[in-house]
Amino acid sequence: AQKITQTQPGMFVQEKEAVTLDCTYDTSDQSYGLFWYKQPSSGEMIFLIYQGSYDEQNATEGRYSLNFQKARKSANLVISASQLGDSAMYFCAMREGLLTGGGNKLTFGTGTQLKVEL
Amino acid sequence: DVKVTQSSRYLVKRTGEKVFLECVQDMDHENMFWYRQDPGLGLRLIYFSYDVKMKEKGDIPEGYSVSREKKERFSLILESASTNQTSMYLCASSPPGLSEQYFGPGTRLTVT
Repeated sequence: AQKITQTQPGMFVQEKEAVTLDCTYDTSDQSYGLFWYKQPSSGEMIFLIYQGSYDEQNATEGRYSLNFQKARKSANLVISASQLGDSAMYFCAMREGLLTGGGNKLTFGTGTQLKVEL
Repeated sequence: DVKVTQSSRYLVKRTGEKVFLECVQDMDHENMFWYRQDPGLGLRLIYFSYDVKMKEKGDIPEGYSVSREKKERFSLILESASTNQTSMYLCASSPPGLSEQYFGPGTRLTVT
């Protein structure tokens, strides 16, 4: 089974609208972390936001928020007020075994290509 | 700012050549990682290292080896390059504990 599933290969959104990128995960660990990265066409991976499994509040970073629903094992990224510069590939990733070490290894999803239109 | 650099942005090699991809980070991070990225498959972990001279296999280590002789440098080696190793290779580093990984700009390798 896939550990991280991103079911939307591509998404379109109008400028200034909000958009939700879906991510579901599969783990039997109680302690884990979820990350979102952005990859523009230039190729660099940019860290956006992090949510820990024990965090009670949903994480927010500026226009990015993470809609964390633990029982459903989903960690969707919400981008508010989309901008043209948000056009990029977005990856969801998970780190398991937070309490057992493991070198901070991440498992990535297949990504969602977001295109922001005028 | 953390900086992770990779020796080449683009590389073209022939089948059977030995290929070295170098990665250097300047933040004294313990952990370093090598991924390959292919369309529709996301990033897949090849190898990682959590200390000098320590290495662990990731999800797709076959056909690759790594070397970490110094803390700041992590090398990915393709002993005998094959066409199915044509890909984007991304290096990353992170401190110990819970932290995001910091990525290099990537090396697009083409094996002909």
